[in-house]
Amino acid sequence: DAKTTQPPSMDCAEGRAANLPCNHSTISGNEYVYWYRQIHSQGPQYIIHGLKNNETNEMASLIITEDRKSSTLILPHATLRDTAVYYCIVPLGAGGFKTIFGAGTRLFVKA
Amino acid sequence: DTEVTQTPKHLVMGMTNKKSLKCEQHMGHRAMYWYKQKAKKPPELMFVYSYEKLSINESVPSRFSPECPNSSLLNLHLHALQPEDSALYLCASSRQGLRTEAFFGQGTRLTVV
Repeated sequence: DAKTTQPPSMDCAEGRAANLPCNHSTISGNEYVYWYRQIHSQGPQYIIHGLKNNETNEMASLIITEDRKSSTLILPHATLRDTAVYYCIVPLGAGGFKTIFGAGTRLFVKA
Repeated sequence: DTEVTQTPKHLVMGMTNKKSLKCEQHMGHRAMYWYKQKAKKPPELMFVYSYEKLSINESVPSRFSPECPNSSLLNLHLHALQPEDSALYLCASSRQGLRTEAFFGQGTRLTVV
């Protein structure tokens, strides 16, 4: 079962891109990488997920390395409202139902 | 409707009380989850239901009793809790399969006195 490693905290200036790294070196071939975020006192919010190709949606982009051992979540123009804890998760177990949260990265977006 | 609704938002209960937390979704999701989150910690998985059957129990004490009466509803029955069980309890739901994201409710903040 894959586990993930993220830096505990990062700063980003408002309007700049925020690049959040995640290491998942034990990921297996059919396991997806998911990103969620949790703004203070709210439930976690799904951001994006991917298998091996880069993905983009209205919230963010996900870059997965060719060997799939790491990925980077990119918020292209961070705002103060993006200040949150960001979790990189590889769901475990048959069917991928065990969404286990690690410590995540606390992103501070500063004016 | 992409919401997971949890009630109540706040709950204070004594250690001898019995109470229930409720979670509802109308997205047709067949997997539902309970998480517990202590302050400044990540959410911890407690239970997973798949097609109304309990499929994962992360060694949760029996004072927490989940129930999934139908595909839209998930309950967490609480009995004889301890003050250390005070936390934010989060419910989530997802479609089946490896490619599905989970939708979370806003949680019930539980205080045990």
